[in-house]
Order: sequence, then C-alpha cells, then structure tokens
Amino acid sequence: AQSVTQPDIHITVSEGASLELRCNYSYGATPYLFWYVQSPGQGLQLLLKYFSGDTLVQGIKGFEAEFKRSQSSFNLRKPSVHWSDAAEYFCAVGSYNNNDMRFGAGTRLTVKP
Amino acid sequence: GAVVSQHPSRVICKSGTSVKIECRSLDFQATTMFWYRQFPKQSLMLMATSNEGSKATYEQGVEKDKFLINHASLTLSTLTVTSAHPEDSSFYICSAIAGGLAEQYFGPGTRLTVT
Repeated sequence: AQSVTQPDIHITVSEGASLELRCNYSYGATPYLFWYVQSPGQGLQLLLKYFSGDTLVQGIKGFEAEFKRSQSSFNLRKPSVHWSDAAEYFCAVGSYNNNDMRFGAGTRLTVKP
Repeated sequence: GAVVSQHPSRVICKSGTSVKIECRSLDFQATTMFWYRQFPKQSLMLMATSNEGSKATYEQGVEKDKFLINHASLTLSTLTVTSAHPEDSSFYICSAIAGGLAEQYFGPGTRLTVT
C-alpha cells in the first residue's frame, strides 16, 4: 500500500531564509507526487506536481520540488521564505486515475519576522 | 479553471440531527469526487470515493449508513451526516477529478460542529 511520510511536524524559519520540507513515499509503481498548502480553515491549494519527465518541478509561489527515485523522496524547497508562506504543507502520492491518493501527516511552517 | 465549491462553509447542528454538505465542480464535469475528513492539526483521511451514478466506495472503518454520499450528477456530490454526534465534529473537504487526470481539485472545506 502506498504511504507518505513527512518527518517534520513543525518547522520554523526566519523570513528570507531558505526552506526545505521533506517527504518520503512508498509506492509500488510509478508515483504521482503532489505538494499542497493549506491555510487555517481553508481547503488545499496545489503547489506543484510530478508525473514524469524532469525530476525538478517548478510550482507556484516560488516553490520547487525534486523527485529522487533512489531515495523515494520528493522534497519541497523555496530559496527565500515570505511571511505569507506560513501554513500547513502536505505531500501526497497517488496513481494516474488518483482514486487512491494518500497524504502525509503535514508539516506546519512558522515564519519568524 | 477547475474550481470546486462547498456549501455550507460552516454548520452547527444539534446532536441527533442530520446535516447535508454539498460539493460542486463549477467549471468542469467531475467523474469522480472524494470526501475527506480532517481533525485539528492532522492530515486528511479519505472517507469515500464517489462516481457519478453509482454507489460510493467507503474506506475501511467509515460507516456508510452514517455518512451517506450521493453523486447524482457530474457536478454535484453530497455528504449527509446522519444522526450526528459531537465526535462527528470535524472539517470535511471534498475534491474532484475530471476524466482520467491525476490531479484532484479541492473544495474550501466545511467545518461541522455538533453540539
């Protein structure tokens, strides 16, 4: 069965600092990988996704993620964090028809001024 | 494009009553819709998958008689929480996919409080 692990429950970074959120997955076939962001009391917004091709994926709001098959990882990065990036971030893995998407536990990002 | 709405955004109901939550795909036809439940500071847990015109498929441990799902059209799915109890209080989020595409589009969520 597929699963996603986000090792960091909570991360605090200073505004302007770089950010990396970790995500490891377990999936038997070619994974479809996603990063979503959720602000308090809101739904999920897709930041980026990986289906195939270039393993470095660019997303919205200046985020990028790199798929590393050998490490079963799909870490999210941003070179310079803004205060508005404070939110909950979820990594997810699914299949092509995505009727079995699984989410990680989430990482809460706090941004210090 | 690919907007999913939910109504209501917040609902408070008394224990023992039923409440219906609507999920609509506004600008695309959703062949499949999903219902998730999210407890405070936790991840999303898939409750059920619904395909238009057929019965929903429930995840293990989810009571299908308590959480009634109807997907009557390609743009509307409803979740009815029957005989609600305080432990049903949660944030319910729906999502939808169009055709065979892998990306799910999420609604803004519904906060249910059962008193």
